[in-house]
Amino acid sequence: DAGVIQSPRHEVTEMGQEVTLRCKPISGHDYLFWYRQTMMRGLELLIYFNNNVPIDDSGMPEDRFSAKMPNASFSTLKIQPSEPRDSAVYFCASRVQGSPGNTIYFGEGSWLTVV
Amino acid sequence: AQRVTQPEKLLSVFKGAPVELKCNYSYSGSPELFWYVQYSRQRLQLLLRHISRESIKGFTADLNKGETSFHLKKPFAQEEDSAMYYCALSSGGYQKVTFGTGTKLQVIP
Repeated sequence: DAGVIQSPRHEVTEMGQEVTLRCKPISGHDYLFWYRQTMMRGLELLIYFNNNVPIDDSGMPEDRFSAKMPNASFSTLKIQPSEPRDSAVYFCASRVQGSPGNTIYFGEGSWLTVV
Repeated sequence: AQRVTQPEKLLSVFKGAPVELKCNYSYSGSPELFWYVQYSRQRLQLLLRHISRESIKGFTADLNKGETSFHLKKPFAQEEDSAMYYCALSSGGYQKVTFGTGTKLQVIP
C-alpha cells in the first residue's frame, strides 16, 4: 500500500481563491482525520470521519472551511475564500478501528501558502 | 473535553545528555496515549504507545495517571533524535485523537 496519499503537495494561491485539498486514505481504514499544522498551534484536529460520516468538526476554524468524504477512498478539505492566515501544512491521516494501538497513518501533507 | 499540553516548544540538549519531553493530558476517562515523531522532510509516524510499554529507539514513556502525564524519556540523546515530537491522546467511543502542540528536540553535537 502506498499509504495515505494527499494532493497537491504544495499550493500557492491568492487571497480570496478557493482551495481544495484531496486525500486518499489507506484501503480498508474506516477513520479519516484532517489536521492543520502551524508553528504557533502545532497539530490541530480539524475534522474526522468514521465510515465516511463526519463525527466531530468542532476544530474547523470557521464557515470558510468544509470537508467531505463521498466514499471510503476519497476526502476533500475545501477553503473558500482563502485567507493568508490559512497558510499551513494540512495533513490527512487514516486508521482502522482495532488495529494494534489504533495507530494513525499520516500523509505527507499539503503545504498551503495564501498570499 | 480532552486536551494535551506540551509546555516546551523547543528543547536543546547535548549529545549524550538525558532527554525528557513533557506531556500532560486532561481527560475524564481512560485514554490511550501515544508519542509521534516527525523527522525532517518525513511523515509523522508513531514512535510508541503507552499500552505497549515498549522502548523504541531508546525512548520510553510511562503513563502516570495521578499526575496525568506521559513524559518521553531517553537516557542518552543522539543527533538522529533531532525531530519534532508530538504527544497524542485517543479517547471516547469514536476514538478521537488529539495532539499536543509539539516539542522540537534539537540535539547538539
